[in-house]
Amino acid sequence: GAGVSQSPSNKVTEKGKDVELRCDPISGHTALYWYRQSLGQGLEFLIYFQGNSAPDKSGLPSDRFSAERTGGSVSTLTIQRTQQEDSAVYLCASSPASGGYEDTQYFGPGTRLTVL
Amino acid sequence: AQTVTQSQPEMSVQEAETVTLSCTYDTSESDYYLFWYKQPPSRQMILVIRQEAYKQQNATENRFSVNFQKAAKSFSLKISDSQLGDAAMYFCAYRSRDKLTFGTGTRLAVRP
Repeated sequence: GAGVSQSPSNKVTEKGKDVELRCDPISGHTALYWYRQSLGQGLEFLIYFQGNSAPDKSGLPSDRFSAERTGGSVSTLTIQRTQQEDSAVYLCASSPASGGYEDTQYFGPGTRLTVL
Repeated sequence: AQTVTQSQPEMSVQEAETVTLSCTYDTSESDYYLFWYKQPPSRQMILVIRQEAYKQQNATENRFSVNFQKAAKSFSLKISDSQLGDAAMYFCAYRSRDKLTFGTGTRLAVRP
């Protein structure tokens, strides 16, 4: 596709349920990033993939959060036993080549997660 | 750890006028990149402009330009000839190695 796509656009779930958020990066981009944007806040880094491996998971807030990437393309962010504080917009970004610091990250439209 | 500070939660500008959004950052590194992203209500983060730390010349993209003061660790965004479509949240971001570190954003309103 032309840009980064994410699904679903919006997700409402009940506390304690598991959710899966999907990200399709720009074709050919080897680096993929997940960020979280809570209401009125800036973006908080969650995890970074280079290919299928995750060199930096430092931003995952708890062991309820996990992510995987398969085939060097699609990534899934899973949140288990969701809590109300998990409510936020989850943004995915991708960048080309080595993912070095000079690469620009291109963002998807995000998934708005609401935990009731 | 790197931090990015945007001290203006909200700004307002008259259409066709110029506005400057402020950003400061803290880092001990010498090689890094700085970015301004725009986030309209659609939530899509759109790259506005980027600056390489090793370049002294300020970046410019059409009506958007930056004032990069490396010693002062300041990176402000100037929007000239403001248009209604410029209304959005603007985020300053710092990148070294992999992840981006963002400020908390400035909401820009454009008055017709």
